[in-house]
This record gives sequence, structure tokens and C-alpha cells, in this order.
Amino acid sequence: SQQGEEDPQALSIQEGENATMNCSYKTSINNLQWYRQNSGRGLVHLILIRSNEREKHSGRLRVTLDTSKKSSSLLITASRAADTASYFCATDEGYGQNFVFGPGTRLSVLP
Amino acid sequence: TAGITQAPTSQILAAGRSMTLRCTQDMRHNAMYWYRQDLGLGLRLIHYSNTAGTTGKGEVPDGYSVSRANTDDFPLTLASAVPSQTSVYFCASSDSRLGYTFGSGTRLTVV
Repeated sequence: SQQGEEDPQALSIQEGENATMNCSYKTSINNLQWYRQNSGRGLVHLILIRSNEREKHSGRLRVTLDTSKKSSSLLITASRAADTASYFCATDEGYGQNFVFGPGTRLSVLP
Repeated sequence: TAGITQAPTSQILAAGRSMTLRCTQDMRHNAMYWYRQDLGLGLRLIHYSNTAGTTGKGEVPDGYSVSRANTDDFPLTLASAVPSQTSVYFCASSDSRLGYTFGSGTRLTVV
């Protein structure tokens, strides 16, 4: 069963604009992670946010977490063509070490 | 470069045949995972291993088996392949709940 669900499924923006992707989940979590996947490649870990954190930054990435709404957002500022990829959120099920991935958001950054 | 090596990168397999997808990591991570990725469904966990000598079933384990004889290797075996097992398979590892490292994937086509 999928825990995280990303929204929107696909997003097209112009280079230089900001991109926002959202993730909703159903049950309580300890951690939520965001990953990037370039076409035909494996997933790359971007950032992890814990349930007691509300916001985290890494370079041009900003992740927020609202546990009351069971949602997270990933903001990519000043987007570049190289940011074109699929982005996935993953949440832990609260036991073991297994994370569940959502179906992803396909981001296209147009030059 | 430290990471995860998957082999083969792609394979066409006749239905009914068996095949083992190889996964090796050199990071001494305790936990390892096998996911399959299908369009529109995101990544689904097939099997996992929290430490050498132990394995567990994920969301979609039927038709697959794994073994974890040592820390570094986590092969995935399809005993009798069926067309519905056509997918891209990713191996991943983790030493904690801080994120996964993914391999580059194996693209399998069962005909």
C-alpha cells in the first residue's frame, strides 16, 4: 500500500521559476524523505525531515512538514533545466527500516 | 566509487525461465531492499533484509525470492518468470533511517 502520494503528477515550468511539489500521507510517521530520479537512473536521496521538524533547507531545496495535515512540500527555487526529473516522497511505516514511496511528480524545466 | 552495483543492466527473458538479479554494495550497510518500478505505480517493495542472515517480505513478494548470506550481496531470484514481472528493478541499501542509496537498476522484459 502506498503511504506517500505526490501532487501534482506532472509539472512544467520555465527556467528560473520556483517549483513546488506536495506529498500527503495517511498514518503517523517518524521521517519523510524526498528523492530525485533522472530518466533511466536510480533514485538519489535529497533530504530527510523528521516528524519533530517543520522545515529544512539544502541548497535550493526547501522542505516543509505539517504533521497535523499529514503533508509535506518540496520547493525548488530558481529552477534549472538540470532539475528536470521525477521527484518522490517516501515515508516510514513506523516499524523496521522500510520506507514506502509515492508515485512521484514529473518535473519538466523548460529553457 | 562506493555504492551499489546491479547486474545485469537489462535483460530479455523468456517466460518460464529463471533468473537472478545481482546486487552488491560496498558501504557495509546493514539493510538492503529490492523494489520494482512500474509506470504510474511508483516503487513497490518486493523483499528486504535488515541484516545479514535475515529477510522479509515487502508489498509484492510473490514470484520472487531473496537471500542474504553476507552483508554485501542481496540477490533477487525469479524462479519462473511471467510477463507481469516485466519492470525496472532497483536494489537499495541503508545503514540507518537516514536515507537509501540506490543502484542504477535492471530493466527486465519477460516475453
